Amino acid sequence: DQQVKQNSPSLSVQEGRISILNCDYTNSMFDYFLWYKKYPAEGPTFLISISSIKDKNEDGRFTVFLNKSAKHLSLHIVPSQPGDSAVYFCPSSNTGKLIFGQGTTLQVKP
Amino acid sequence: EAQVTQNPRYLITVTGKKLTVTCSQNMNHEYMSWYRQDPGLGLRQIYYSMNVEVTDKGDVPEGYKVSRKEKRNFPLILESPSPNQTSLYFCASKLLSKEETQYFGPGTRLLVL
Repeated sequence: DQQVKQNSPSLSVQEGRISILNCDYTNSMFDYFLWYKKYPAEGPTFLISISSIKDKNEDGRFTVFLNKSAKHLSLHIVPSQPGDSAVYFCPSSNTGKLIFGQGTTLQVKP
Repeated sequence: EAQVTQNPRYLITVTGKKLTVTCSQNMNHEYMSWYRQDPGLGLRQIYYSMNVEVTDKGDVPEGYKVSRKEKRNFPLILESPSPNQTSLYFCASKLLSKEETQYFGPGTRLLVL
C-alpha cells in the first residue's frame, strides 16, 4: 500500500526550460509535504515544503503546488539548470514521520 | 558544520556476522531515524527515536535493532545480517516539532553475501 506515488521514474528537460515533477498521495491525513533532492553517493537534502493550509509555496526557482482535493502536489523548477539533475523525492507527513515515494530522476540537458 | 555522519560508508559482510552502523549528529536534535532505500521502493523507515532511551519501530524493523543512549548517537545493529538486508541505509535527524526538516547523513551502502 503505497501512500505516496511518483508515477514518473524519470524526466528529461532542456536547460532553461521548466521542470515539473509530480507526486500523488492517498492518505488524507497528511498535512505537511516536502521535496528532497538526492545526488549519487549523498543523502537527500531538503528543497522546499508546503503545509496543507496552503496551495503554493515559492523559494527562488522552486515552487511547490498542492491540490488537496486531487491529493496531488507538484514541484516546478524554473529555469532548470544542469546542476538540478538528481533524484527527487516528495515525502509526506502527518505526525513528523516521512512517507516517501519511489523518486523521480530528473536530467537537465545543457 | 551542522551535519549527520554515518560510518562506515561502504560495507561488505557475510550472512550472520553481526555488524553496527553508527550515526551521529551535532545539531542537538531530539528525533533520529533510520531508513533503507531500495530500487523502486523509495526510502522506508526502519526505526526512529524521539529522544534518549525512547525508540520505536518504523515500517520495516525486522532484523534490525537500535539504541539511543546519548542524544547525538543512534547506531543501527544487524545481529544476524541476511542478503535481503543488502541496501542503502540513511540516518536522519531533526528537532521534535513535526514540521521541522529532517537532515540526512551521506548513506551507508551494505552488501550481505
